[in-house]
Amino acid sequence: DIQMTQSPSSLSASVGDRVTITCRASQGISNYLAWYQQKPGEVPKLLIYAASTLRSGVPSRFSGSGSGTDFTLTISSLQPEDVATYYCQRYNSASLTFGGGTKVEIK
Amino acid sequence: EVQLLESGGGLVQPGGSLRLSCAASGFTFSSYGMTWVRQAPGKGLEWVSAISGSGGTTYYADSVKGRFTISRDNSKNTLYVQMNSLRAEDTAVYYCAKQEMIIRGLNPFDYWGQGTLVTVSS
Repeated sequence: DIQMTQSPSSLSASVGDRVTITCRASQGISNYLAWYQQKPGEVPKLLIYAASTLRSGVPSRFSGSGSGTDFTLTISSLQPEDVATYYCQRYNSASLTFGGGTKVEIK
Repeated sequence: EVQLLESGGGLVQPGGSLRLSCAASGFTFSSYGMTWVRQAPGKGLEWVSAISGSGGTTYYADSVKGRFTISRDNSKNTLYVQMNSLRAEDTAVYYCAKQEMIIRGLNPFDYWGQGTLVTVSS
């Protein structure tokens, strides 16, 4: 079964910093990758699908890239409301595996 | 407005059974795949099971295969999961979620319910 590994597991950055989260698949998954944001006490929210397509209504400071096995989620200028745990997920297979999550905090 | 409302959670003993329901509204239920995702206390997201819009195709995580059964009643706009032989490690908040329609096959989840807590303990 394909495993999804995120790094780092947590990070602390200042407001306005550029933040990058990495997700690696143990085998190639083309661009069938989604990113979710889960703020404390809230349900997850879909941010990006097809590795780089921003869902309608998601701020443009979020972007995604990658294909095959290596993917990144970038927040170009970290805002206080971006404090959350971010998850990657592969889809289009019989197993919709999530990564372990990356907790983003403000320094 | 899409709404998903889970119910049926609670405290159950190890080896017991529970059926969760998810009432859907605000979209054409039968046109979309649906899924269950769980989150153990303080832990990450774990996909549990998915079902196609017609109900004819189902998928399960290895951790629940043979113990959980996903189903849907399109006449009632309701998703279900029957959970048998429950274990302590099944303790989690269970979310139902609607799949987006991007590709043929399994899609990411664009709407989520608020979740229902299942606690497996003696």
